[in-house]
Amino acid sequence: AQSVSQHNHHVILSEAASLELGCNYSYGGTVNLFWYVQYPGQHLQLLLKYFSGDPLVKGIKGFEAEFIKSKFSFNLRKPSVQWSDTAEYFCAVNAHLYDKIIFGKGTRLHILP
Amino acid sequence: ETGVTQSPTHLIKTRGQQVTLRCSSQSGHNTVSWYQQALGQGPQFIFQYYREEENGRGNFPPRFSGLQFPNYSSELNVNALELDDSALYLCAGWGPSGSKNEQFFGPGTRLTVL
Repeated sequence: AQSVSQHNHHVILSEAASLELGCNYSYGGTVNLFWYVQYPGQHLQLLLKYFSGDPLVKGIKGFEAEFIKSKFSFNLRKPSVQWSDTAEYFCAVNAHLYDKIIFGKGTRLHILP
Repeated sequence: ETGVTQSPTHLIKTRGQQVTLRCSSQSGHNTVSWYQQALGQGPQFIFQYYREEENGRGNFPPRFSGLQFPNYSSELNVNALELDDSALYLCAGWGPSGSKNEQFFGPGTRLTVL
């Protein structure tokens, strides 16, 4: 069965610090990978996705993620965070198009001004 | 905007009652999924409908049921509510995004069971 593990439950950073959120997935076949963000009081939004091709994926708001197949990892990065990045971040995976999405438990990111 | 709306935004029920949550998806979203997001957790897949038939189900009991209608709207029904059913319920529709399809999530309905 597919599963997603996010290493950090709660991360606190100061503005301008660099960010890396860890994500590992468990699945033997080809997967699609996602990072979603949920800002306080708002709905889930897609930050970026990986289906195939270049393993370094760039998303919205300066975020990027790298798919490392040998490590079953899809870590999210941002070189310099802003206070407005305070939100909860979810890593997710599905096996194919139109398949259910399996989410990790989320990482709550708090940026200090 | 994702083109997916949900109603109501908030709902309070008591244990044992039944509830119906609604989702409206824009034209072209012929697949709809429902998720339950408990406090402090990631969304968990409940079930999925394609062309008005259930075509996938997560680890939820039969008292969770759904419907999808030809006009791209859908319902999630929960019978015999339990306290643990308190959660944010998310609906998502599949639609085109560039060269690929992706799931677009609605804002959710927050259900509180007392």
